[in-house]
Amino acid sequence: AQKITQTQPGMFVQEKEAVTLDCTYDTSDPSYGLFWYKQPSSGEMIFLIYQGSYDQQNATEGRYSLNFQKARKSANLVISASQLGDSAMYFCAMREGGTSGGSYIPTFGRGTSLIVHP
Amino acid sequence: DSGVTQTPKHLITATGQRVTLRCSPRSGDLSVYWYQQSLDQGLQFLIQYYNGEERAKGNILERFSAQQFPDLHSELNLSSLELGDSALYFCASSVGGGLRSYNEQFFGPGTRLTVL
Repeated sequence: AQKITQTQPGMFVQEKEAVTLDCTYDTSDPSYGLFWYKQPSSGEMIFLIYQGSYDQQNATEGRYSLNFQKARKSANLVISASQLGDSAMYFCAMREGGTSGGSYIPTFGRGTSLIVHP
Repeated sequence: DSGVTQTPKHLITATGQRVTLRCSPRSGDLSVYWYQQSLDQGLQFLIQYYNGEERAKGNILERFSAQQFPDLHSELNLSSLELGDSALYFCASSVGGGLRSYNEQFFGPGTRLTVL
């Protein structure tokens, strides 16, 4: 079974609008971490935001926020005020805590391609 | 610029050959991670080293091996190469090596390997 599911292969958004990229995950480990990375066309992986399973509040980093809904096992990335430079592939990833036989090994979703239109 | 360097940027080789990819972590980082990104498999974690010792192992083939040297740079050796090994290989580094270290990874620019 897929541990990380990103159901949107591609998304389009108008510049300055907000966009939500979906991510659902599957784990039985009570301790885990969720990540989002950005991969521009140049290829490098850029860490955006992290949410721990025990964190009480949703993580925010500048224009990025993570909408963490633990009961639904979703960790959607919200980008506010989209910019042209936000056009890239976005990957959701999870690292389990190892307390229930899981491991620290991170698993990645297949990614969502975001295109920001002027 | 993340501070993580990888060489070479591009590598073209033939099936059956052996190659070595090199990674220098950011100054002060003790952990090095290797990832493979291919079109069919997506992004896969291969292996992690922390201060010279193997810390975690993922989907790394037996034909692949890695090590981290005393100066903390790391090498990923790929042997008996197959067409399916063509991929972008990333190295990442972090200060720590434990559970929270994955929150703090910085990725290098990658090495694009093409096996013909």
